[in-house]
Amino acid sequence: DTEVTQTPKHLVMGMTNKKSLKCEQHMGHRAMYWYKQKAKKPPELMFVYSYEKLSINESVPSRFSPECPNSSLLNLHLHALQPEDSALYLCASSPRLSGQGYEQYFGPGTRLTVT
Amino acid sequence: GQNIDQPTEMTATEGAIVQINCTYQTSGFNGLFWYQQHAGEAPTFLSYNVLDGLEEKGRFSSFLSRSKGYSYLLLKELQMKDSASYLCAVRHNTNAGKSTFGDGTTLTVKP
Repeated sequence: DTEVTQTPKHLVMGMTNKKSLKCEQHMGHRAMYWYKQKAKKPPELMFVYSYEKLSINESVPSRFSPECPNSSLLNLHLHALQPEDSALYLCASSPRLSGQGYEQYFGPGTRLTVT
Repeated sequence: GQNIDQPTEMTATEGAIVQINCTYQTSGFNGLFWYQQHAGEAPTFLSYNVLDGLEEKGRFSSFLSRSKGYSYLLLKELQMKDSASYLCAVRHNTNAGKSTFGDGTTLTVKP
């Protein structure tokens, strides 16, 4: 299994809603990532987990809350989002963080619209 | 920090060869990745260079010169399906797993 899966594919939420994005991989990778991508822009790193511990938080607002329940799962909890948070949210994984190489495998993304 | 430059757009003809350049300035370097991204889809990994030289993978090759802060992606025998955005990403010289992406080059392949 060389896939990273993400659910849901599309999400529309109001500014007062609470929702969660889910990501799963079964490649035995120990590093997982959340990126945000706006149209015609490159992915922007949000969070990195390594061995289920938060390694990087790129100064992301607290209305985004990541969670890594186990080595295969990564969640992104959303609360009180703003319309400008509408974007494609990409999850990725890599075998680990340290050492050479280790390309990231991306999931198909969740297209989020905040109304 | 990282500063990564790529051309915004390129056009090439089916069957031809195209070279997409990427220059970077970085305070710490631990490798350079190339990704392909079709519109509305996730990026997919193409190549990784950490040492100087050329890495070849079928129709795609990638070159790195660390002293010049320069890489290119070479696509041979272009096919219509190669029309996509090509992202250059520089891996930081830390153990934290951070990579910074360039803005991408949109390649259009014409018949």
